[in-house]
Amino acid sequence: EVELLESGGGLIQPGGSLRLSCATSGFTFSNFALSWVRQAPGKGLEWVSVISASGGNRYYADSVQGRFTISRDNSRNTLYLQMNALRGEDTALYYCAKLAVAHSTGDFDSWGQGTLVTVSS
Amino acid sequence: DIQMTQSPSSLSASVGDSVTITCRASQSISRYLCWFQHKAGKAPKLLIYAASTLQSGVPSRFSGSGSGTDFTLTINSLQPEDFATYYCQQTYSVPQTFGQGTKVEVK
Repeated sequence: EVELLESGGGLIQPGGSLRLSCATSGFTFSNFALSWVRQAPGKGLEWVSVISASGGNRYYADSVQGRFTISRDNSRNTLYLQMNALRGEDTALYYCAKLAVAHSTGDFDSWGQGTLVTVSS
Repeated sequence: DIQMTQSPSSLSASVGDSVTITCRASQSISRYLCWFQHKAGKAPKLLIYAASTLQSGVPSRFSGSGSGTDFTLTINSLQPEDFATYYCQQTYSVPQTFGQGTKVEVK
């Protein structure tokens, strides 16, 4: 069974940094692209970033470009999101999702339960 | 970026009803469209991919159709567990944008 478990969320002051992790199991990690999606309070789903299976291709939403960095450790079956220069509008529940393919666009066939990031002073 | 517009934003229905949700893309995306079900506090669930292919384990009362720019999700004979928020997402290009969601509520 595919499992994705996010961690690393919390309360952080504006301008601060946080690193989210997504530990996975139940599939061959190095064969699939992975993504981060977030949901701000009372809002819909927002695509944040994607990384290909090899890690060679990474893409970001305009709203986080230059501040967030997606990475993966294929030896630890873990996805990361380094978030710097955090803003209030980054407050959201952050989900990691597995794509059904190796490249950067495709169906999100499994999701984690999310980790909450709150940016506030 | 491709914009995805869902309608309605919410609807009220009763158990046993059929409901239809529409999703329109700002440009042609062929059949690169998914539908998700999302309940508060839970992981979103993939229902349909490639516009009309049912994900394994999803009940057959869910169906999808469309291509190009216009797509629909239909739920036949609504069940109590179907009350949730539904999102479309284009998988044609990065960023893989979502529709704004449709909340299906109990009438």
